[in-house]
Amino acid sequence: DIQMTQSPSSLSASVGDRVTITCRASQSISRYLNWYQQKPGKAPKLLIYAAFNLQSGVPSRFSGSGSGTDFTLTISSLQPEDFATYYCQQSYSAPPTFGGGTKVEIK
Amino acid sequence: QLQLQESGPGLVKPSETLSLTCTVSGGSISSSSYYWGWIRQPPGKGLEWIGNMYYSGSTYYNPSLKSRVTISVDTSKNQFSLKLSSVTAADTAVYYCARQSGNYYSRVDYWGQGTLVTVSS
Repeated sequence: DIQMTQSPSSLSASVGDRVTITCRASQSISRYLNWYQQKPGKAPKLLIYAAFNLQSGVPSRFSGSGSGTDFTLTISSLQPEDFATYYCQQSYSAPPTFGGGTKVEIK
Repeated sequence: QLQLQESGPGLVKPSETLSLTCTVSGGSISSSSYYWGWIRQPPGKGLEWIGNMYYSGSTYYNPSLKSRVTISVDTSKNQFSLKLSSVTAADTAVYYCARQSGNYYSRVDYWGQGTLVTVSS
């Protein structure tokens, strides 16, 4: 199985901050990388697929980049509703695997 | 708007079989290019893909759970189901039903709200 490692595991930020979350794959996954947002007690929500494609309805302050083994999710200006846990997932090979998550908290 | 809703017992005894059903509304489970399956999340932990299936009956399971998992579909009811046998406390988790687009290990674009299943005597 491909292992996905996210960093940091948690971060504190203020509204308006630029936030960057990193995801690293244990082998090259081309651009088969997806990002999800999960709020407490809710199901994850797809934000970005195939590394940089914004899912319909997702605000443009979210962006993704990277290829191969290293990927980044960026929130350009953090909003109150963005405080949540973010997960990456590889869809390069079966079984699909997720990173351990990054919790974005209010500073 | 596509909606998925899990149903089933919230408490299962150790060594017994966990059974959940997902009802799909707002779309057909027989649509091509979509895979219907299950993902779980132990309390306070990360996400684990259990497996999924195509409406035609092809199934795909996580090797770590394959010996205990069965996913089936009832196209007449627009439902699919999960059975996980010989459960232990380690199977306690929120179970999500989900749709994956493109291939069976692709992104998850629709999720159910999730249902907590506790394994305890």
